[in-house]
Amino acid sequence: GQQLNQSPQSMFIQEGEDVSMNCTSSSIFNTWLWYKQDPGEGPVLLIALYKAGELTSNGRLTAQFGITRKDSFLNISASIPSDVGIYFCAGSGGTSYGKLTFGQGTILTVHP
Amino acid sequence: GAVVSQHPSWVICKSGTSVKIECRSLDFQATTMFWYRQFPKQSLMLMATSNEGSKATYEQGVEKDKFLINHASLTLSTLTVTSAHPEDSSFYICSARIGPDLTDTQYFGPGTRLTVL
Repeated sequence: GQQLNQSPQSMFIQEGEDVSMNCTSSSIFNTWLWYKQDPGEGPVLLIALYKAGELTSNGRLTAQFGITRKDSFLNISASIPSDVGIYFCAGSGGTSYGKLTFGQGTILTVHP
Repeated sequence: GAVVSQHPSWVICKSGTSVKIECRSLDFQATTMFWYRQFPKQSLMLMATSNEGSKATYEQGVEKDKFLINHASLTLSTLTVTSAHPEDSSFYICSARIGPDLTDTQYFGPGTRLTVL
């Protein structure tokens, strides 16, 4: 089946620093999504990407849908303590049409 | 918009009992909902796809007789864990797809923590 490789697995940063995480796939996806999950909660959608090459921003977050449709990255600028959580990429389409394939997650810790 | 609720948010039950978890799309209709399971510090694992008015489609390795799914309306899907055992203890999360297109975005519920004693 399709696999998503998300990196890094975890990050420890100082408040104010920028953060970058990415996902790569061995196969093509038609949609890339980035979610954030707080402890004991469900994932919350941050950014949805629908077209190859698309670059989308949501406040301090910026994400891009890779031109090959096999990768995506998420950047967080000027991190703040409430950015702490687990970030997941997810791909939709390809051979698992209609379902989401999730990355392993990136655990972000922000030190004040 | 695009709010999904789950009930209960947590449940503790004795081994051998059955537990029902509800997933509702509050401000949109969802012909398709999904049920996931998540273990601590791991990613979400898709259990089944729930389609309104038809039988659920289960992922490989998921026992359909143990995890009963009913999607009786466009805003409600239920997951019943039958004869629950301690190994069924987990965080169960549902999602709802907002549109009819298979690439439409999924919105997630807040999850249900199940603990089986």
